Amino acid sequence: DGGITQSPKYLFRKEGQNVTLSCEQNLNHDAMYWYRQDPGQGLRLIYYSQIVNDFQKGDIAEGYSVSREKKESFPLTVTSAQKNPTAFYLCASKGALNTEAFFGQGTRLTVV
Amino acid sequence: DQQVKQNSPSLSVQEGRISILNCDYTNSMFDYFLWYKKYPAEGPTFLISISSIKDKNEDGRFTVFLNKSAKHLSLHIVPSQPGDSAVYFCAARSSGGSNYKLTFGKGTLLTVNP
Repeated sequence: DGGITQSPKYLFRKEGQNVTLSCEQNLNHDAMYWYRQDPGQGLRLIYYSQIVNDFQKGDIAEGYSVSREKKESFPLTVTSAQKNPTAFYLCASKGALNTEAFFGQGTRLTVV
Repeated sequence: DQQVKQNSPSLSVQEGRISILNCDYTNSMFDYFLWYKKYPAEGPTFLISISSIKDKNEDGRFTVFLNKSAKHLSLHIVPSQPGDSAVYFCAARSSGGSNYKLTFGKGTLLTVNP
């Protein structure tokens, strides 16, 4: 089954700790994206990558970092510099022949 | 600056009636518009899209209308079903270059009452 897998679904961390969210896709898509959803805020773009070993900042990149060492994987690290890390994080990917992006099931991160 | 606006946070309709969800945008560089449906604690799923060169696209019970001069699009669902109850996001793609970015509105919560 082709798709995008985000793990874990729920994640708890103590304030001040870095945490890495996993996103894996087996759709052979070149482009991958990270969004954040907050209540009443819609989806906001954190980082995106059009191709392996390349990525660009989105609208709210501060306090986050990413890597794209493999086509299938686009992990997101939420660092201690992110002031409001508690949110629902969504990963997406898009193939060259698609006009739409496909989303994973999301990771709910709670920082206490 | 919010480039994609969904001004109605919520909408409630009766089963069998038409649901109309609205979306306004400000960026003239948007060349493609998409609607996504999202259930709580799940990722959005693609519903329907429309290119800026068209004014209507239909897929079963779902129709999207685009009015470029007004920078406005709407999603019509008819007949509405209880399973349509979800948050609907309008999204727009910027044209130009090889970069693909989607800008999302804040969403509209649709409730279809049996």
